[in-house]
Amino acid sequence: DSGVTQTPKHLITATGQRVTLRCSPRSGDLSVYWYQQSLDQGLQFLIQYYNGEERAKGNILERFSAQQFPDLHSELNLSSLELGDSALYFCASSPETVPEKLFFGSGTQLSVL
Amino acid sequence: QKEVEQDPGPLSVPEGAIVSLNCTYSNSAFQYFMWYRQYSRKGPELLMYTYSSGNKEDGRFTAQVDKSSKYISLFIRDSQPSDSATYLCALSRGSNYQLIWGAGTKLIIKP
Repeated sequence: DSGVTQTPKHLITATGQRVTLRCSPRSGDLSVYWYQQSLDQGLQFLIQYYNGEERAKGNILERFSAQQFPDLHSELNLSSLELGDSALYFCASSPETVPEKLFFGSGTQLSVL
Repeated sequence: QKEVEQDPGPLSVPEGAIVSLNCTYSNSAFQYFMWYRQYSRKGPELLMYTYSSGNKEDGRFTAQVDKSSKYISLFIRDSQPSDSATYLCALSRGSNYQLIWGAGTKLIIKP
């Protein structure tokens, strides 16, 4: 168990809908990262938050947004969903002392039908 | 050219064999080198973390970094069926930079 909690584990929704994915980082970790992994694809970095502030942006679509709350949990909002958004979405957190070490949650499997 | 190249495999070996997994990279600024293991549909798990060049050993796993050749390796001794997974290399230039990920190599250990 990495200590990173993601909910829900599975989401099935329709095109055009909006969903929210939730992540609680490891205790003490201030950084939260969101990644997307499509079938047979590598990990695609979406966005990083550090202590409530956006720190870095990757290949995140404008239809997607995220935030980190004062209790450090984070939410990834996906709107106007398309079939191609079906993927595994991972959250990760990292410690202050070794920020290069990422600890991943078990992921949310999103299926857009 | 991708910053990190990793053969996606699959690599199939018999149980008990020594496995060698590799990544090559192009940017000499990378300083931190990591290997993650990912079981099917699960989150990646950090296996090995290395700073700069050299070897690091942890049980049956050895990570090797050759910065002069821009080549990193993960060796698995006495491979077990439970080692069957996708292995991803990840490289970093430092704390202000995002990890750069390899595509992952799918490893299959045959009983």
